[in-house]
Amino acid sequence: GQNIDQPTEMTATEGAIVQINCTYQTSGFNGLFWYQQHAGEAPTFLSYNVLDGLEEKGRFSSFLSRSKGYSYLLLKELQMKDSASYLCAVIKAAGNKLTFGGGTRVLVKP
Amino acid sequence: EAQVTQNPRYLITVTGKKLTVTCSQNMNHEYMSWYRQDPGLGLRQIYYSMNVEVTDKGDVPEGYKVSRKEKRNFPLILESPSPNQTSLYFCASSLSDRVYEQYFGPGTRLTVT
Repeated sequence: GQNIDQPTEMTATEGAIVQINCTYQTSGFNGLFWYQQHAGEAPTFLSYNVLDGLEEKGRFSSFLSRSKGYSYLLLKELQMKDSASYLCAVIKAAGNKLTFGGGTRVLVKP
Repeated sequence: EAQVTQNPRYLITVTGKKLTVTCSQNMNHEYMSWYRQDPGLGLRQIYYSMNVEVTDKGDVPEGYKVSRKEKRNFPLILESPSPNQTSLYFCASSLSDRVYEQYFGPGTRLTVT
């Protein structure tokens, strides 16, 4: 089976940095990815990591350590529009089943 | 415009009355999937399909059926809905070699009384 854990909620100030951690336990692993979901909207794809290391995309970066079953999403220069839920998910090596974590709600305050 | 569409967007029904939620994509994607989202439980995959006539169970398939007769369509069928299937449902699609990059539909809010 697969277990994915991430904090339920985080609060940060506009302009600051927030790091959202995600740990996973899975039998078979073929990559970890992050989605953003604003309230009342559908999730949208942010990033994908299959190898260890850091992937940077503008203000957002995602890191993966396969040996530790650990990832984080780093949001820099926070803006009010970054207030959303951030979903961590993994995909199994066999087949293409996706499993999502419960999501981390990030609240950006002025 | 490239998109995933779902219908209906909102539905209130009664226990036991069969219903179908349609999903269609215009991006020629091979992979399609259904999820339900519940507070505290996140997104959970119900069924997925790698291509026409190929479907597989996700983590919570009980009480649901799907079919993939055409590449663009992937309807979700609830033969006998029950109140515990009250949820927000999302359909999504992607290229088969980029399954991590799912394009989601707008969601269908289903209430079963």
